[in-house]
This record gives sequence, structure tokens and C-alpha cells, in this order.
Amino acid sequence: NAGVTQTPKFQVLKTGQSMTLQCAQDMNHNSMYWYRQDPGMGLRLIYYSASEGTTDKGEVPNGYNVSRLNKREFSLRLESAAPSQTSVYFCASSEGQGREQYFGPGTRLTVT
Amino acid sequence: QKEVEQNSGPLSVPEGAIASLNCTYSDRGSQSFFWYRQYSGKSPELIMSIYSNGDKEDGRFTAQLNKASQYVSLLIRDSQPSDSATYLCAVSSGGSYIPTFGRGTSLIVHP
Repeated sequence: NAGVTQTPKFQVLKTGQSMTLQCAQDMNHNSMYWYRQDPGMGLRLIYYSASEGTTDKGEVPNGYNVSRLNKREFSLRLESAAPSQTSVYFCASSEGQGREQYFGPGTRLTVT
Repeated sequence: QKEVEQNSGPLSVPEGAIASLNCTYSDRGSQSFFWYRQYSGKSPELIMSIYSNGDKEDGRFTAQLNKASQYVSLLIRDSQPSDSATYLCAVSSGGSYIPTFGRGTSLIVHP
């Protein structure tokens, strides 16, 4: 089992460019999440998907969109990147809501 | 707003000692509690979950939950330098069940 995988591992964007972060899990989990982690701010939830076919906003959704492509895959899109979106992005999955989360290795994004 | 508070540290302990990490939370309706370990530059890794009052042991780790006092703690026995990391507390409440994370406590175990 690979667990939770994320691509890419690193990315540098210029302001205004767009990109999609990919996440996949092979644990047959129902719920998936996108977080960003900034120094001194801890993990902040961007969007989550409680189950296939549903998505909901988290604490910091502005500037992002998500797609739950199927039960395995949950992507995060930045339509017009801004320097404030420089961060480390983690995808996570859980069997269901309120259960243990398992994290992917992260994507380190820099927007210049 | 649901809050999860942790002392940022660093907490420094000698090798072989017991490290005690604490976490308090604001929502009395909280039902699920998790401890994660995060090494520098890596992703959070689940250590333990606890759902009911009392102690739960797993190897050198013990999670303690006291819902009346709204705190959860993690004890690491026989601390090793490899335990040096940031420890994140996460608390999940009824309703959306989305966990709220604390900002983490940095633990340093020195030889």
C-alpha cells in the first residue's frame, strides 16, 4: 500500500499562474482533506470531502477549488496563484469523519 | 470558535526520561482526540487516537484523556533522540467531525 500520494513534491509558480495539486489514496477511505501549513500557523483546513461526490469549505478556502474525482482522488486547484499561497500543502484521508487521518508527503509551493 | 492549545516549547528532556506533552481544548462536545508526530520537513504521522476518558497505552506512548478538565496528554517513556519532533494534538467534535489541530509542541531529546 502506498497510502496517500501527492504530486508534485515541489513547485514554483509566478503570480497569476494556475496549477493543480493531485492527491490519491489506496486505503479505500471515504473522507479526504486538503491542508496548508505555514510557520507559526499550524495546519489549516482548506477544503474537505466527507464522501465521494461531496466537497465543503474549510477554514481558508479563498483562492482554491477542489474536485473529488472519484473515491481515490481529490485534487486542489489554484486558479491564479498569489504570493500568500506560498506554503506546504498536505492531503489527508480518513475512513470516515472523526476518524484517524493519514497524511501524504506534502507539496512545497512557492509563488513569486 | 473551537480552539486547541498546546505549549509551543521547545520541551527539552534527557534521553531515557519521560516526556509529557499537554493539550487543552475548548469544545466540551469533543469526541475524538489524536496525537501526531511531525519531523522537520515531513508530514504528520499518526501516533495514537483516544476516544474515552482514561489512559491508552501503545508501546512507549501513553495518551491520557480527561474530558471533565478538557485536556489530553501524551507521555513518552524512555525518550530517545529519535523522538525529537513536533507533536500535534488534534480534536474532533460532533457535527462536522472535522479535526482542529493545535500548533504543536517541539520536543528535543538530548543524549
